[in-house]
Amino acid sequence: AQTVTQSQPEMSVQEAETVTLSCTYDTSENNYYLFWYKQPPSRQMILVIRQEAYKQQNATENRFSVNFQKAAKSFSLKISDSQLGDTAMYFCAFILTGAGSYQLTFGKGTKLSVIP
Amino acid sequence: DSGVTQTPKHLITATGQRVTLRCSPRSGDLSVYWYQQSLDQGLQFLIQYYNGEERAKGNILERFSAQQFPDLHSELNLSSLELGDSALYFCASSVGVYGTQYFGPGTRLLVL
Repeated sequence: AQTVTQSQPEMSVQEAETVTLSCTYDTSENNYYLFWYKQPPSRQMILVIRQEAYKQQNATENRFSVNFQKAAKSFSLKISDSQLGDTAMYFCAFILTGAGSYQLTFGKGTKLSVIP
Repeated sequence: DSGVTQTPKHLITATGQRVTLRCSPRSGDLSVYWYQQSLDQGLQFLIQYYNGEERAKGNILERFSAQQFPDLHSELNLSSLELGDSALYFCASSVGVYGTQYFGPGTRLLVL
């Protein structure tokens, strides 16, 4: 079974600073995607960034980037120039892309607070 | 806006009742997924449909059922409701059998 672990239940960062959220996962499979989703107080689940396991290059989306270490099964999210609107729960998620179940497996989340 | 719509946004009902949650996927998406988010269980996958057929099943109770219609919208039916069924129910969709899933705004269910 696949598992996703987010070891930081809560974090805070000053506005305009940089913060890194950690995520580790466990799988014996080789083909998968990894995601970070953001859930602001509105409770909407918003896709932040996606990483395909076969790609060595780390994904970036504007102020958001990941550090994907496949051998270590680590997938951290870096938020640069933090903004008040980044305050949210952040979920790391994993999905297999081979045959079988295509459900997203989520970590328990990290609550990020951006302080003015 | 993800393009996935869910109705209703809020639902308050009593124990023992039955409710139906509706989801319309993004235009062009063939897969629909249902997830339950509760305080104690986190985000749990319930079920996936692809082009009208059940594709994968997760921790879905026997009291719950779902279907995907020819126009690709999906409904999640929850029956014999219990207090513990109170949660946020998300629908998500993707183009293919697997891939990036885009979530709807969710339906907040409160069972009293």
